[in-house]
Amino acid sequence: GEDVEQSLFLSVREGDSSVINCTYTDSSSTYLYWYKQEPGAGLQLLTYIFSNMDMKQDQRLTVLLNKKDKHLSLRITDTQTGDSAIYFCAETDKLIFGTGTRLQVFP
Amino acid sequence: ETGVTQTPRHLVMGMTNKKSLKCEQHLGHNAMYWYKQSAKKPLELMFVYSLEERVENNSVPSRFSPECPNSSHLFLHLHTLQPEDSALYLCASSQVGSYEQYFGPGTRLTVT
Repeated sequence: GEDVEQSLFLSVREGDSSVINCTYTDSSSTYLYWYKQEPGAGLQLLTYIFSNMDMKQDQRLTVLLNKKDKHLSLRITDTQTGDSAIYFCAETDKLIFGTGTRLQVFP
Repeated sequence: ETGVTQTPRHLVMGMTNKKSLKCEQHLGHNAMYWYKQSAKKPLELMFVYSLEERVENNSVPSRFSPECPNSSHLFLHLHTLQPEDSALYLCASSQVGSYEQYFGPGTRLTVT
């Protein structure tokens, strides 16, 4: 079946850039999304990219899409402690989410 | 209240109990979803309601029974659950045809 995969953990120092990676199998995906989940809260939509785009930038967030390799990444520049959360990659044509990547930012 | 709310936030129940989870959305959406989030596993879509009709049931055991009485409310009725059903249950809503979902904070369920 269709699948979305992510690494489980990422640890970065405050001020550095974070790159969270995701691979997916459904090549027909129309949109690919990034959600953020803070402790005790539900998922919050962060950003998304349309499948005919390669890159989308939104302030500190940059989404890169490599359709050939079915690889999606989320780059956060100047990572802050408030960015510590679980980040989910999602393919929303079939509502398939990854396992989530727990980002830990240390001072 | 704004956004998507879920009650209760925490629930502990025995395997023979019957309980219900409630979700309410205040966004004027017309599609609602139940997801199950277990540790180190992908978020699992359980049920989808579109215009108050169930349009998707992802092979969920019958001990989970959803109900959508109107476009603002969604329930998940639970009975004779198993310990492996312990998880965070997330509700979400969206407009039909939109891919943008808004999530509630979840109900953390523990089955003893």
